[in-house]
Amino acid sequence: GAVVSQHPSRVICKSGTSVKIECRSLDFQATTMFWYRQFPKQSLMLMATSNEGSKATYEQGVEKDKFLINHASLTLSTLTVTSAHPEDSSFYICSARGTGVEQFFGPGTRLTVL
Amino acid sequence: QKEVEQDPGPLSVPEGAIVSLNCTYSNSAFQYFMWYRQYSRKGPELLMYTYSSGNKEDGRFTAQVDKSSKYISLFIRDSQPSDSATYLCAMRGSARQLTFGSGTQLTVLP
Repeated sequence: GAVVSQHPSRVICKSGTSVKIECRSLDFQATTMFWYRQFPKQSLMLMATSNEGSKATYEQGVEKDKFLINHASLTLSTLTVTSAHPEDSSFYICSARGTGVEQFFGPGTRLTVL
Repeated sequence: QKEVEQDPGPLSVPEGAIVSLNCTYSNSAFQYFMWYRQYSRKGPELLMYTYSSGNKEDGRFTAQVDKSSKYISLFIRDSQPSDSATYLCAMRGSARQLTFGSGTQLTVLP
């Protein structure tokens, strides 16, 4: 299957700081990228969907000013958690889809906000 | 009622057993059906993808879709301890985003 990378894999930050997570499709062009959040022993919660060059579409209840998403190219999307607080601590996973139907996931980023 | 229902388990089986994982759904517009495997603290890995009804086989894995019953299955033959993970079903129609089941936690005991 296609490869999606995510960086960093783990980040610890102080409350009030901003954190940027990168998601890259390594061997295909991702026309659509998705950002998910996952709590322990729970399924994936879709946060937002983005197409290259367009503004992201956020799911209900997700603050777009809190979670900034940029999909600047067909291989890169970034999620910035602004002014992070302990309740933002979670496992964030990106996913990418090209022209086909299959959707491929990155390895995830574990964010801990102290 | 959730659009996709999946028994969360946990499910424990001995090594070599045949495992059956299932999901039911309510949205008749779903056409694309996927199974993902997720190891602890990792991102989901796409195992199988099926379009509409029918069976698909890949090695020890077989995916089945019965659209008339709105029921999908994943069978794992000759299960191995390395198959221990959470298995997520996912599906979509013409919408861009997938709808996921809650995941079934599987443990294969050596």
